[in-house]
This record gives sequence, structure tokens and C-alpha cells, in this order.
Amino acid sequence: KNQVEQSPQSLIILEGKNCTLQCNYTVSPFSNLRWYKQDTGRGPVSLTIMTFSENTKSNGRYTATLDADTKQSSLHITASQLSDSASYICVVHPLNDNYGQNFVFGPGTRLSVLP
Amino acid sequence: DAGVTQSPTHLIKTRGQQVTLRCSPKSGHDTVSWYQQALGQGPQFIFQYYEEEERQRGNFPDRFSGHQFPNYSSELNVNALLLGDSALYLCASSLAEGAWNQPQHFGDGTRLSIL
Repeated sequence: KNQVEQSPQSLIILEGKNCTLQCNYTVSPFSNLRWYKQDTGRGPVSLTIMTFSENTKSNGRYTATLDADTKQSSLHITASQLSDSASYICVVHPLNDNYGQNFVFGPGTRLSVLP
Repeated sequence: DAGVTQSPTHLIKTRGQQVTLRCSPKSGHDTVSWYQQALGQGPQFIFQYYEEEERQRGNFPDRFSGHQFPNYSSELNVNALLLGDSALYLCASSLAEGAWNQPQHFGDGTRLSIL
């Protein structure tokens, strides 16, 4: 069964610190892996999309890495800001899903950044 | 450029009632997907509409139905509401062409509470 697991479930860090969120998946084969940020009460917003052949993708202070051999991805946040407080969702897109109907969503990691 | 808009933002219903949620996709997008997101969990795929037809359906009962209009906007209807239907309902739009490698754009959702 295609699954995406994320760890930790929740994380609290101080403003200015770095952190890394983990994503493990069983989806195989897959075409790409996505990270979304979801603020409380809002819809998810795309941060990065990496194809199976990419190892890293950056978006400002967000850097995602992908190891397709171990089926792991991480999202590293540098110099955290209060506005980074949100849930971060890892999503894997199976291969041959041409219309985007079968995304496999993780449960998310809830990040709280304190002043 | 307007993004994905959903209405209403909040809704309170009682068991057994029926509800209709609405979604306008991002300008230029022709595909609309609906998701149910329970508190603390990732979104679960309900169904996807393209060219006014349901293209694929997730593991949801027939009480959940939808429609897409010629202008690509969409509605989600839920009949015979149950307490378990309480959730955030998200609409995501995309362009069918190249959907496999493009981010989905989410609205901010409709928070449905069943009493």
C-alpha cells in the first residue's frame, strides 16, 4: 500500500534556529515528491517539487532533499521565522498518474517557532 | 490573478442535512480536485472533475457528489450529513496538460461542522 510517513509529528524551535523535517514513503515507482506549507486555517501552498532524478531543490530558506534509493526526503528550514509556524506536508506523486488524482499525502509535521 | 476561491469559509449543519460547497479555480486552470482534511491529518482525495465530468473518485460514499460547470468552477454536495463529515474541505485546481509535474493550487477551504 502506498504510504507517506512524516516525523516528527510536531516540533518546537526558537526563532532563528534551523530545523529538519523528515518524510519516508513507500510509493514506488513515483514521478515526483512535493512539500507543501499549510498555515492554520488556510490551504496548502507548494514549496518544492522534485522529480525522482533530483536530489535537492531550494525555495528561499527552504531546502528539500530526496534520496530515492532509501525512499526518504527531508525539508530543511534555515534561520526560522515566526511566520514559518505551520504544518508541512510531504506528498508523493505515483508514476503513471497523469492527471494528478492519486497523490499520496503525509499527515504533516506541525512546526511552532517561538520568539 | 485570482487564486482558488472557496465559499463559504465556514458552515454549521446538523446530522441528516445536505450541504453544497463551491470552488472557483485559479485563472487558466481546467481541472478541479476536492479533498477532505480531518484535524491533524493530510488531505484525502474525494474526486476530480475535468471537462464537466468526474474523472476519478477516491474512497468516499455516494453521499458525496459533485459538478463542474462550463467555466470550470465546481461544487461539492454532501447528503445525509454525519458527524464524521466534520472537516476542512479543500479544493485544488490545476491544468490538465502537464499536471504530473505542476503544483496544485489550493483554496483556503470550507470548514464544515456537523452538530
